[in-house]
Amino acid sequence: AQSVAQPEDQVNVAEGNPLTVKCTYSVSGNPYLFWYVQYPNRGLQFLLKYITGDNLVKGSYGFEAEFNKSQTSFHLKKPSALVSDSALYFCAVRDPPRGDSSYKLIFGSGTRLLVRP
Amino acid sequence: KAGVTQTPRYLIKTRGQQVTLSCSPISGHRSVSWYQQTPGQGLQFLFEYFSETQRNKGNFPGRFSGRQFSNSRSEMNVSTLELGDSALYLCASSLPGTGQETQYFGPGTRLLVL
Repeated sequence: AQSVAQPEDQVNVAEGNPLTVKCTYSVSGNPYLFWYVQYPNRGLQFLLKYITGDNLVKGSYGFEAEFNKSQTSFHLKKPSALVSDSALYFCAVRDPPRGDSSYKLIFGSGTRLLVRP
Repeated sequence: KAGVTQTPRYLIKTRGQQVTLSCSPISGHRSVSWYQQTPGQGLQFLFEYFSETQRNKGNFPGRFSGRQFSNSRSEMNVSTLELGDSALYLCASSLPGTGQETQYFGPGTRLLVL
């Protein structure tokens, strides 16, 4: 079964510093991985996805993620954090990874990012 | 292009009642999925519909059901509400086809069961 893990419940970073939100995955076959962000009282906003190709994926709002097959990780990064980046971040994996176009997303438990001024 | 819309945004019900939530997908999107978000269980998949057919179902009791209409709009119904059904219910739509598509989420319906 596909699964993702987000080992940190919360990440604290100062504005202007780089940020990393960690995600590891467990899948059979090649994974389709996603990052979403959730602001208070809002739905999930898509940030980026890895399907195939370059291991460094660039997404919305200056975020990027690095796919590392050997470490089964897909960490979310941003070179310079903003206070407005404070939100709940979810890593997700597509299940099943290939084949039937019908699929569901399996989400990690979420990481709360707090960027202090 | 307008995003995924969900109605109502907030709902208060009592135990034993039933509730119907509505979702309108992004124009042109024909796949609609539903997820439940709770503090304890996180985000869990409920079901997915495409062309008015349920293609995938999560591990939820039969009290949770859904349907999709010919215009791709979807509804989900929860009968005999329990306190534990209090949650944020999220709808997502996508353009099915390649298997690489992205699911785009609506703002959710927050259900409180008293």
